[in-house]
Amino acid sequence: DAGITQSPRHKVTETGTPVTLRCHQTENHRYMYWYRQDPGHGLRLIHYSYGVKDTDKGEVSDGYSVSRSKTEDFLLTLESATSSQTSVYFCAISEGRPTDTQYFGPGTRLTVL
Amino acid sequence: QQQVKQSPQSLIVQKGGIPIINCAYENTAFDYFPWYQQFPGKGPALLIAIRPDVSEKKEGRFTISFNKSAKQFSLHIMDSQPGDSATYFCAASMKTSYDKVIFGPGTSLSVIP
Repeated sequence: DAGITQSPRHKVTETGTPVTLRCHQTENHRYMYWYRQDPGHGLRLIHYSYGVKDTDKGEVSDGYSVSRSKTEDFLLTLESATSSQTSVYFCAISEGRPTDTQYFGPGTRLTVL
Repeated sequence: QQQVKQSPQSLIVQKGGIPIINCAYENTAFDYFPWYQQFPGKGPALLIAIRPDVSEKKEGRFTISFNKSAKQFSLHIMDSQPGDSATYFCAASMKTSYDKVIFGPGTSLSVIP
C-alpha cells in the first residue's frame, strides 16, 4: 500500500461521540485525500490537503473536519458521529496533481451504532 | 455534470472470457480517465489510465477504449483469469478541478474457472 498506514483499521462507536481517523505516509507526497466508500456510490471525496495546513472540502464534507500539521499525517475527525457516517474510509496520497497516480491506504471500517 | 456513470454493476464471466465495463461522463472538461482495481479488504490501486487525445490504450491484458464524441470509455480484460476477480472503478478528473477525481460506482467482476 505504497507506504500508507491508517489507524484504527476497525472501529465501532456510538452516535454522538467524536471519532478521529489517522492517515500516515512515508512517501513525502504533497497531496493527501480522505474518501468514503459506500455500496453503489464508489469513492467520494471528503476532504483533501495540498500541503501542511492547506486543506479544502470535497464532495461530502458535511460533518467532517481535517487537519494536517505535518507532511506525513492527515487526520479526519467526525465531530459527532452519526449512523450515516458508517462507512469504509480510505486515505490516498499523490505526488502532484490528480493526473498523478493516487495511492490508497488499506482503509478503516467505521461502524456508528 | 460531475457524475461518472458505470455499468454493469456486477459481471460474471468464465475464465478466458472478455469482460467489458462501460463508463460515461457529461463534463467535457474531464481530461484524465483512470481505472482502479480493488480486491476485497484492500484499497483501490491504479490499473490503467487514458487521456482523451488517444482512442485506445493497452497494458498487458487490459485495454481502455475511449470515444471522445460519445463521452464514453470502456475497460476490456482479455483472457480473463480468476485472479482478475475484483471491483473495478472508472474515474475522471480535470486540471481545473484542482485535485479532485470523480469515481464511478464500481463494477464487481467475478471470473469463474
